Amino acid sequence: KNQVEQSPQSLIILEGKNCTLQCNYTVSPFSNLRWYKQDTGRGPVSLTIMTFSENTKSNGRYTATLDADTKQSSLHITASQLSDSASYICVVSGNYGQNFVFGPGTRLSVLP
Amino acid sequence: EPEVTQTPSHQVTQMGQEVILRCVPISNHLYFYWYRQILGQKVEFLVSFYNNEISEKSEIFDDQFSVERPDGSNFTLKIRSTKLEDSAMYFCASSLTGPGFSGANVLTFGAGSRLTVL
Repeated sequence: KNQVEQSPQSLIILEGKNCTLQCNYTVSPFSNLRWYKQDTGRGPVSLTIMTFSENTKSNGRYTATLDADTKQSSLHITASQLSDSASYICVVSGNYGQNFVFGPGTRLSVLP
Repeated sequence: EPEVTQTPSHQVTQMGQEVILRCVPISNHLYFYWYRQILGQKVEFLVSFYNNEISEKSEIFDDQFSVERPDGSNFTLKIRSTKLEDSAMYFCASSLTGPGFSGANVLTFGAGSRLTVL
């Protein structure tokens, strides 16, 4: 069964610190992996998209990595800001029209 | 920047009533989706729509639900005979290409419609 797992479930860090969120998936055959940021009560907003051949992709202070062999991805946030407080969702899709598979998200809280 | 627009932002309805949630996808997008998110839980897939027909639907999307693209711009989700457990945030999303396309275009979400069933 195609699944996406994320860890940790929640994370609290101090403003200015770095953090790394993890995503493991079983979707096969793999096509692409996306990281989304979802503020409370809002729709998810795309941060990065990576295909099979991409190992890393950055979007400002967000850097995503992908290891398609081990089926793992990480999202690294540098110099966290209060506005980074949100849920971060990993979304994976497979080839042959398989639909997007959503992870449960990691809830990040950045404290002053 | 192009947006997916959803209306209403919040709807309160009585159990058993019918509701229609409306979405205006990004104009050149071809794939349309409805998702729901119960408070505190993960985003759940409901249905995908392409070329004026449903391309995939989840177990949640039973006969109570229907989708329509009535005029080439709007994309609607109808929920008949609402139940308490239908209370959730409903997100519309659209993309230029399908999920498995190697070009991996962005899947853009609307801000959501919060449905409260009393």
